[in-house]
Amino acid sequence: SYELTQPPSVSVSPGQTATVSCSGDELGEKFVSWFQHKPGQSPVLVIYQDYLRPSGTPQRFSASNSGSTATLTISGTQSVDEADYYCQAWDSTTAIFGGGTKLTVL
Amino acid sequence: QVQLVESGGGVVQPGRSLKLSCSATGFIFSDYGMNWVRQAPGKGLEWVGKISYDGSKKNHVDSVKGRFTVSRDDSKNTVFLQMHGLRAEDTAVYYCARDNIAVVPSGAYYYYMDVWGKGTTVTVSS
Repeated sequence: SYELTQPPSVSVSPGQTATVSCSGDELGEKFVSWFQHKPGQSPVLVIYQDYLRPSGTPQRFSASNSGSTATLTISGTQSVDEADYYCQAWDSTTAIFGGGTKLTVL
Repeated sequence: QVQLVESGGGVVQPGRSLKLSCSATGFIFSDYGMNWVRQAPGKGLEWVGKISYDGSKKNHVDSVKGRFTVSRDDSKNTVFLQMHGLRAEDTAVYYCARDNIAVVPSGAYYYYMDVWGKGTTVTVSS
């Protein structure tokens, strides 16, 4: 079965750039969504179709997808960005989520 | 305002059944497919299943096939998750999520989960 692999944790200082990776076999051939999930809240779509931002997603969020790796980048990271981040892609008719990355802003 | 509200969670014994509901407001429900996604305690997100906008296609993750079924009632703007033969490992917060669609440059369709509910908690325990 298809798998997406993310680092369990990433740490970043406020104002710096955070990058979260998501790897999978020929992932660049699929479209990737990214979700932000804070404790006790609903997951929030922050990126879809590899790099598009829904209205409401701050411009500091950007993303790319090529080869076997998709990357979420947060420029000028703020404390409010501290959350779990999940990548997601479709493998035929099955949605696959990465294991999630806990972003700590310290 | 686009909103999804889940209900029906609770504590249930192993082997029993439970039916979750997700009520939608603020958009034309019959135009959208709907997903169920769960998060077990201390774990990540896991997709459970999906129903197409017209109810003609249903897909479920292998771990729930034969036990869980997604259905919908457009007259009530509601999607359901019927769960049978519940196991301890089904304990989770269950979210419903709207399936939005984009047409990509190749002309193919791409689905993404753009609106999520707050979730309902299912605990399977004796």
